[in-house]
Amino acid sequence: GENVEQHPSTLSVQEGDSAVIKCTYSDSASNYFPWYKQELGKRPQLIIDIRSNVGEKKDQRIAVTLNKTAKHFSLHITETQPEDSAVYFCAANSGNFNKFYFGSGTKLNVKP
Amino acid sequence: DSGVTQTPKHLITATGQRVTLRCSPRSGDLSVYWYQQSLDQGLQFLIQYYNGEERAKGNILERFSAQQFPDLHSELNLSSLELGDSALYFCASSVSGRADEQYFGPGTRLTVT
Repeated sequence: GENVEQHPSTLSVQEGDSAVIKCTYSDSASNYFPWYKQELGKRPQLIIDIRSNVGEKKDQRIAVTLNKTAKHFSLHITETQPEDSAVYFCAANSGNFNKFYFGSGTKLNVKP
Repeated sequence: DSGVTQTPKHLITATGQRVTLRCSPRSGDLSVYWYQQSLDQGLQFLIQYYNGEERAKGNILERFSAQQFPDLHSELNLSSLELGDSALYFCASSVSGRADEQYFGPGTRLTVT
């Protein structure tokens, strides 16, 4: 089955700096890679996703890059703000594309 | 609000008991996923249904079972509960269940004492 590894587990940045979170996956058949933001006690919410036919996708301050050869994808947040503080999860689909495997999460702390 | 509803919000029960968690997907979504999130842990995929049929199984224990009904709501049944089953259980729904955005419900927090 798929194995998704996520690094770092915690990340502390100064407001205005950039934050990068990296994930690797093992199943070369995976074709969908979403990123979720989860605030304390709340539901995960999709912030951006990328499919395997695209190398990069941007949405305002958030971007995701995908390297299919190396089987890794990264989340980039620029101009971080205190409200970006949360736990971020990467995920990848696998098998018959209906299973989803999540990374262990990155706790991002943006210091004002 | 994602449009996905889950009941109950909280559940406290004793070891050995059986509980049922309920999920109603967003209007128009045919697929339902169940996830388990233990304290300070990631999300573990349990099972997925599409239009009433089981589509994929993850790390779901034999003590757990689920189904999706004709009106597309889903129930997750947890039996012979153990302390380690204490967790947040999320349901998510999506349109097709194939590489599309999943919308998560607010979760059910299960505490087994």
